[in-house]
Amino acid sequence: DADVTQTPRNRITKTGKRIMLECSQTKGHDRMYWYRQDPGLGLRLIYYSFDVKDINKGEISDGYSVSRQAQAKFSLSLESAIPNQTALYFCATSDNRVADTQYFGPGTRLTVL
Amino acid sequence: EDQVTQSPEALRLQEGESSSLNCSYTVSGLRGLFWYRQDPGKGPEFLFTLYSAGEEKEKERLKATLTKKESFLHITAPKPEDSATYLCAANSYSGGGADGLTFGKGTHLIIQP
Repeated sequence: DADVTQTPRNRITKTGKRIMLECSQTKGHDRMYWYRQDPGLGLRLIYYSFDVKDINKGEISDGYSVSRQAQAKFSLSLESAIPNQTALYFCATSDNRVADTQYFGPGTRLTVL
Repeated sequence: EDQVTQSPEALRLQEGESSSLNCSYTVSGLRGLFWYRQDPGKGPEFLFTLYSAGEEKEKERLKATLTKKESFLHITAPKPEDSATYLCAANSYSGGGADGLTFGKGTHLIIQP
C-alpha cells in the first residue's frame, strides 16, 4: 500500500462549488504539506502543518483552507472554486527535522469549469 | 525571494549518451537541495538530498552534486526508462519558520532507444 494517499484522484466541478481534497499518510510523519502544480509554473506551496495544532500559510494560500484532523490526515478545501484553481494538487509529508525529505502522494487532478 | 532555475527545459538524448542537468539556486541560507523524478500524471518521486557544498550522492545511473550556487544531476549511459521530468527544489532559511520547498520548473528528459 502507498504511504501517502490522496482522494479523489480526479475531480471535475463547477465554479462556486465547495471542494475538499483529502490526504492520508501511514509514514508516521508529523509534517504535512499541500502543493499545486501548473504547467510552466512548477510546484507551489499552499499550506503546511507541523502538527495537528500548527497550521501555516504558504506562498499561495488565498482561496484555500485546510484542516489537520489527525497526525495522519490533512485536508485541503476550496470554499468557492474558480477556474484558475484548475491544477494538479499534491500532498506531501516529512519527518520532524528541519529540511527533511518530503514524500509526495499521487496527486489529485482538479478541473473547475 | 528564493529562486530555483533549471536548465535545459527539455533534453533529448540517445540511449547511452551521458549528460547533465543543471539547477541554479538563489536562496538565503540553503538548508537542503532536493532532486525528484516525476512521471506523467504521478507525484514527484524522491531521488536525492544534498545539504552542503561538495556533497555528492549516487543511485544507479544518477549522480547529484552540489556547489554554493548550483547542483547538477549527471546521468550516465541513460536508458529509455530514465525518461521523465526531473525536478530540483530548495529548502532555505529565508522562509523563517516555513518548511516548504521552492521548486524549479523541471527538465523534461527523453531517452530515445
